[in-house]
Amino acid sequence: EPEVTQTPSHQVTQMGQEVILRCVPISNHLYFYWYRQILGQKVEFLVSFYNNEISEKSEIFDDQFSVERPDGSNFTLKIRSTKLEDSAMYFCASSAGQGSFQPQHFGDGTRLSIL
Amino acid sequence: AQTVTQSQPEMSVQEAETVTLSCTYDTSESDYYLFWYKQPPSRQMILVIRQEAYKQQNATENRFSVNFQKAAKSFSLKISDSQLGDAAMYFCAYRGNTGNQFYFGTGTSLTVIP
Repeated sequence: EPEVTQTPSHQVTQMGQEVILRCVPISNHLYFYWYRQILGQKVEFLVSFYNNEISEKSEIFDDQFSVERPDGSNFTLKIRSTKLEDSAMYFCASSAGQGSFQPQHFGDGTRLSIL
Repeated sequence: AQTVTQSQPEMSVQEAETVTLSCTYDTSESDYYLFWYKQPPSRQMILVIRQEAYKQQNATENRFSVNFQKAAKSFSLKISDSQLGDAAMYFCAYRGNTGNQFYFGTGTSLTVIP
């Protein structure tokens, strides 16, 4: 069964540095998402992406964050000037369509640790 | 904003028994969709079951069923004949009729006791 894959599984970065988290969505999916889960807290929506542009974003997704689909397969989340509070699990997801009943398929996540 | 509450951080069940995980939500929308996701130790979240709010009939997927009470804004998950492989973190999620984002609860960690 097709899966969403994320790399790396664990990323350790010094505070203030930039980090890029990578995702390969399911190949025929058109909608892409990033979520994060701070340890012990709920999964929070960051951003959704369709047709090479952001379709929706949360308050968390400020100028520090950006997303890109650099080619036909990858979907990346860039975090600039990382802060300690950016430490979290970051999940990528994709869905085939926009209908609200469409499930989102999640990757394994990338654990980001900011030192 | 929509909120999803899972009041049981941890639950345990004996193998082959039945367990119910609770979820409540708050919304002003009349049309929406509810989901249960399972996150085993391998970390990937997997869709377990989903429910459309306009449908009164409770969704069922094999050993998994929901008790959807729209007036009470409650969406509990029942797992029958629990198996060791059911051990995981379970997340309840809400999605409105418009927009793309899911709203998740804090999760319930389910332990299955052999």
